[in-house]
Amino acid sequence: GENVEQHPSTLSVQEGDSAVIKCTYSDSASNYFPWYKQELGKRPQLIIDIRSNVGEKKDQRIAVTLNKTAKHFSLHITETQPEDSAVYFCAASIGSGNTGKLIFGQGTTLQVKP
Amino acid sequence: GAGVSQSPSNKVTEKGKDVELRCDPISGHTALYWYRQSLGQGLEFLIYFQGNSAPDKSGLPSDRFSAERTGGSVSTLTIQRTQQEDSAVYLCASSLAGTRIANEQFFGPGTRLTVL
Repeated sequence: GENVEQHPSTLSVQEGDSAVIKCTYSDSASNYFPWYKQELGKRPQLIIDIRSNVGEKKDQRIAVTLNKTAKHFSLHITETQPEDSAVYFCAASIGSGNTGKLIFGQGTTLQVKP
Repeated sequence: GAGVSQSPSNKVTEKGKDVELRCDPISGHTALYWYRQSLGQGLEFLIYFQGNSAPDKSGLPSDRFSAERTGGSVSTLTIQRTQQEDSAVYLCASSLAGTRIANEQFFGPGTRLTVL
């Protein structure tokens, strides 16, 4: 079946450093790639998303890049802060058209040390 | 406005009992999803409702799991004859339906199910 692989599973950085999380997907029809942040005990919340018609999107300290040929996309967080510590999930839409169905990666636990 | 809500927030049950979990999506959202999140794991897709279309049940792990959505709004996930491996957080999400475009899914706070 379709799947999304996410790496690394854990990531520890010093405050102010950059963090990069990478995902690969298998469905060539995927056209929507959101990233969710989940703080401990809380619900996942969308932080940024990208559609297949663009290669990069940036929102302040967060950016996402997409390589459709290689079927991978990455999350970049610059100038990390302790409040960035959380679990981050990537996801990819499944199938062409608007099924809305997402397949999620296994998550990356990011720890930002002050 | 109000976000996605779920009830109960916590449910402890004994093995073999049936449980019902409820999800109230954001008003106007025609798409509704159920996920399961085991401890320290990712989000496992269970089932998806879109408008009046037949639901996508491809993620349900066994025939003990079922879900319905009444009136295109509230949804109930039912687990029959619960097993200990059913213990997890069950998350519901809703989104606006678009034409050939997937949209942001808004998650509820989840129901933590513990099967003793």
